[in-house]
Amino acid sequence: AQSVTQLGSHVSVSEGALVLLRCNYSSSVPPYLFWYVQYPNQGLQLLLKYTSAATLVKGINGFEAEFKKSETSFHLTKPSAHMSDAAEYFCAVTRNNFNKFYFGSGTKLNVKP
Amino acid sequence: NAGVMQNPRHLVRRRGQEARLRCSPMKGHSHVYWYRQLPEEGLKFMVYLQKENIIDESGMPKERFSAEFPKEGPSILRIQQVVRGDSAAYFCASSPEKDTEAFFGQGTRLTVV
Repeated sequence: AQSVTQLGSHVSVSEGALVLLRCNYSSSVPPYLFWYVQYPNQGLQLLLKYTSAATLVKGINGFEAEFKKSETSFHLTKPSAHMSDAAEYFCAVTRNNFNKFYFGSGTKLNVKP
Repeated sequence: NAGVMQNPRHLVRRRGQEARLRCSPMKGHSHVYWYRQLPEEGLKFMVYLQKENIIDESGMPKERFSAEFPKEGPSILRIQQVVRGDSAAYFCASSPEKDTEAFFGQGTRLTVV
């Protein structure tokens, strides 16, 4: 079975500060892991995905995530937050890259000026 | 190439009425997925369809919900005799193949009054 836990439903950072959004997964098979961003009243946009290649994955808008098997984690980071990063972020896992996603409950990122 | 188109964007129904949600996949995409997002929760998989076939409906409620993806036209998610608990955002995603990236629509926000 696959599942995802996102710690912290709300995260607030200052503009220019480090962004760290946490995601832990459980999977009975080698996972495929994803981060999506959702702006208010919009659909989901893919930020990045891990598909068993490099463990450090770079995505769009300066985001990256590192797959750590020993910690069953796939935390999302960005060195310097921008006001436009304010949105809700979802971590998701699938099996074999099949599009049946299991999503976490989401983390709302607030960026303070 | 237009993205995944969902309509209507907002839908209000009274308890007991029917709700029909439409999803037009991206051009060339023959795989469609429906997800439901309840307030303050992540997206939950409902159903996966290919043209004229339901591949996986393990996330569909057993009663009142149905989905189709005909040879011609959009995919339809139908909810009969809606109840307040059906109020949610319903997202559709499409992909050209089952194991390629899925693109999400902007969702239909259903409110049952």
